[in-house]
Amino acid sequence: AQSVTQLGSHVSVSEGALVLLRCNYSSSVPPYLFWYVQYPNQGLQLLLKYTSAATLVKGINGFEAEFKKSETSFHLTKPSAHMSDAAEYFCAVSDAIRGGSQGNLIFGKGTKLSVKP
Amino acid sequence: DSGVTQTPKHLITATGQRVTLRCSPRSGDLSVYWYQQSLDQGLQFLIQYYNGEERAKGNILERFSAQQFPDLHSELNLSSLELGDSALYFCASSVVGGLNTGELFFGEGSRLTVL
Repeated sequence: AQSVTQLGSHVSVSEGALVLLRCNYSSSVPPYLFWYVQYPNQGLQLLLKYTSAATLVKGINGFEAEFKKSETSFHLTKPSAHMSDAAEYFCAVSDAIRGGSQGNLIFGKGTKLSVKP
Repeated sequence: DSGVTQTPKHLITATGQRVTLRCSPRSGDLSVYWYQQSLDQGLQFLIQYYNGEERAKGNILERFSAQQFPDLHSELNLSSLELGDSALYFCASSVVGGLNTGELFFGEGSRLTVL
């Protein structure tokens, strides 16, 4: 069964500092991996996704993530944090069969990012 | 705006009652998913429908049921409500078939409070 583990339920950084949010996955097949962001009182918005093309994936708002098969990791980074990045971030793995019609997302427990001025 | 519409946005009701949450997927998406988000359980997959048929089931209680109609909108019915059912319920939809890369598009959720 596929699963996702996010290390750290809360991460606090200063404005302008590096953001690093950790995600490790477990999957018996080449996975689809995702990072979603949830701002307060809003739904989930896709930040970026890995679908077995380039291992370094660039997303919106300056975020990127690197797929490392040897480490089963898909950590999210941003070189310089902005106040507007404060939100909850979720890593997810899909059990979708490529080209198929199934596929729910299995989410990690989320990491709440705080950005200090 | 993801294109997924959920109503109502907020709902307050009493224990033992029944509520219905409604979801309209993005235009052209055949698959609808329901998730529950609570503080203690996180984001939990409840159920998936594809073109009117149930396709996958997650941690959905027997008191809960869902369906997808011919126009592809979906409803999640929650009955005999308990305090612990208070949560944010999300609907999501996805592209299917050859374009499916697993990405889901989420609505803004329906916040249910059971008193």
